[in-house]
Amino acid sequence: QKEVEQDPGPLSVPEGAIVSLNCTYSNSAFQYFMWYRQYSRKGPELLMYTYSSGNKEDGRFTAQVDKSSKYISLFIRDSQPSDSATYLCAMSADSSYKLIFGSGTRLLVRP
Amino acid sequence: NAGVTQTPKFQVLKTGQSMTLQCAQDMNHNSMYWYRQDPGMGLRLIYYSASEGTTDKGEVPNGYNVSRLNKREFSLRLESAAPSQTSVYFCATHRYASSYNEQFFGPGTRLTVL
Repeated sequence: QKEVEQDPGPLSVPEGAIVSLNCTYSNSAFQYFMWYRQYSRKGPELLMYTYSSGNKEDGRFTAQVDKSSKYISLFIRDSQPSDSATYLCAMSADSSYKLIFGSGTRLLVRP
Repeated sequence: NAGVTQTPKFQVLKTGQSMTLQCAQDMNHNSMYWYRQDPGMGLRLIYYSASEGTTDKGEVPNGYNVSRLNKREFSLRLESAAPSQTSVYFCATHRYASSYNEQFFGPGTRLTVL
């Protein structure tokens, strides 16, 4: 069993929809939670960072962490075709910041 | 500001050949990382370097060696390439402060081993 599980998709939604992306994990020591966006043939770029539990909002993006359920989510409001990319969750247990990544969910936002 | 640069962008090797992937950063970050990305597997950490002069194994270190030449440069070497090492390789640096925690990735090197 992988430490971090993520549905690979693809997830196809119409423009303007609310998108929900999720990851589950098994290691209760994880404290640092991140979401990265990766466009085709590019390196990942950080979207959201959350330490421990709770919610964090940045523009159209909201990240949620539920440590009791070992479950994290990324919500995208008013999705745009430019949001079409692969979204990777990542986690770390300590300050070395060795990240464990999910396999990524491919998102397609249709105009 | 180039950020994180990687060379080469593409490479094709035959089984048994060796090569070194180069990574350089101009962000003055202490920590640097090498990942590989395979379809359906996400990114997996090969090696990392917390600071100049130190390196440590990640999740999948077998078949690789690294050198942290100085603060700017972190290279990854394949001594005897195998088809299982066909992948996209990403170098990254890390920035941490009280309000943010971010890894910056390079554009990647696409390696095919025949």
